[in-house]
Amino acid sequence: DQQVKQNSPSLSVQEGRISILNCDYTNSMFDYFLWYKKYPAEGPTFLISISSIKDKNEDGRFTVFLNKSAKHLSLHIVPSQPGDSAVYFCAAKREGNEKLTFGTGTRLTIIP
Amino acid sequence: DAGITQSPRHKVTETGTPVTLRCHQTENHRYMYWYRQDPGHGLRLIHYSYGVKDTDKGEVSDGYSVSRSKTEDFLLTLESATSSQTSVYFCAISRQGNSPLHFGNGTRLTVT
Repeated sequence: DQQVKQNSPSLSVQEGRISILNCDYTNSMFDYFLWYKKYPAEGPTFLISISSIKDKNEDGRFTVFLNKSAKHLSLHIVPSQPGDSAVYFCAAKREGNEKLTFGTGTRLTIIP
Repeated sequence: DAGITQSPRHKVTETGTPVTLRCHQTENHRYMYWYRQDPGHGLRLIHYSYGVKDTDKGEVSDGYSVSRSKTEDFLLTLESATSSQTSVYFCAISRQGNSPLHFGNGTRLTVT
């Protein structure tokens, strides 16, 4: 039972354009959401997070949007750069619960 | 790497043999986690620890045990390895339950 879903296994975007990665969740108790980025042969690295009390969080080129009614979050990267090519995982948790549930990942390829 | 070392980085073992993976941290973080990454499944939590000698199961704990006798070390043991346990294993740490996880670079385990 996949509680966090990333329905696009891969995405290709031209350099300089906007990359939009999507994530859906089914557990309405989730109230904290994170995005991680993973390069080959390395561990995932934390990118950005958002609490359910917000609908947007921005950090430089990265913005995460949360739509609680739709149980949907998205990560926007603008402008996209070649170094952004990686696998992106969204993750979710309940406050007070140490367990983080990950999606299956989306492989983003930035085309020069 | 947030002071996380996983060993070994690669291991090939035969079905039925015991295997222990080690995670060592130098950050003095309270929480430590073991995840496995498989194609189509993303990252799935095996076990986690919220203090010395305090551990709990994740979503895919069958066939695995853990031990944490010191703050800095978290061991994952496969008592009798099976081919279904071929995977990449990641250790992660966090300062507290709501802090982002920081991951090690993984151990690639192949069970033949």
